[in-house]
Amino acid sequence: NAGVTQTPKFRILKIGQSMTLQCTQDMNHNYMYWYRQDPGMGLKLIYYSVGAGITDKGEVPNGYNVSRSTTEDFPLRLELAAPSQTSVYFCASSQLAYETQYFGPGTRLLVL
Amino acid sequence: AQSVTQLGSHVSVSEGALVLLRCNYSSSVPPYLFWYVQYPNQGLQLLLKYTSAATLVKGINGFEAEFKKSETSFHLTKPSAHMSDAAEYFCAVSAQGGSEKLVFGKGTKLTVNP
Repeated sequence: NAGVTQTPKFRILKIGQSMTLQCTQDMNHNYMYWYRQDPGMGLKLIYYSVGAGITDKGEVPNGYNVSRSTTEDFPLRLELAAPSQTSVYFCASSQLAYETQYFGPGTRLLVL
Repeated sequence: AQSVTQLGSHVSVSEGALVLLRCNYSSSVPPYLFWYVQYPNQGLQLLLKYTSAATLVKGINGFEAEFKKSETSFHLTKPSAHMSDAAEYFCAVSAQGGSEKLVFGKGTKLTVNP
């Protein structure tokens, strides 16, 4: 099992550019999450999904969009990149909302 | 709603010394509690979890944690630190059987000195 995979590993964006961070899980989990991690701040939830076709905002959703057309995939879209979006982004999945989350290796994003 | 406080953003120990990372939680319902570890440039991986079966929980790499309801604590310990334990550790809480998602603490970075 690959678990949770994320692409790309690293990306540099110019201000105003857009990109999609990809996330795929092969564990048939219902719940999927996107977090951003900034130094000393822990993880902040951006968006989450409870199943295909259902998404909801987390703590810091501004500047991001998500979709969930299949159980396996949960892409995160940045429409107009800003320096404040420089961060490390983690995707995670779990079978139930309150249960163990399994994390991908992360995408490091630099916006200049 | 749940919340987590990790006391000490940085902890430094000598190799072979006791590791103690502190976590206090707030929850209005019986909680599930988790410790995750993040090695440099990697994602988070589960170290151990409390799901009400036993108050002393053993995890991977010799770590354990004890759930103390009266103190609302779930501190992580390891009797003898190894250089490979250097990492960032996150405590997280959720509500048993609920729809609440995991809430993470801000993390504690562990340094192990030779």
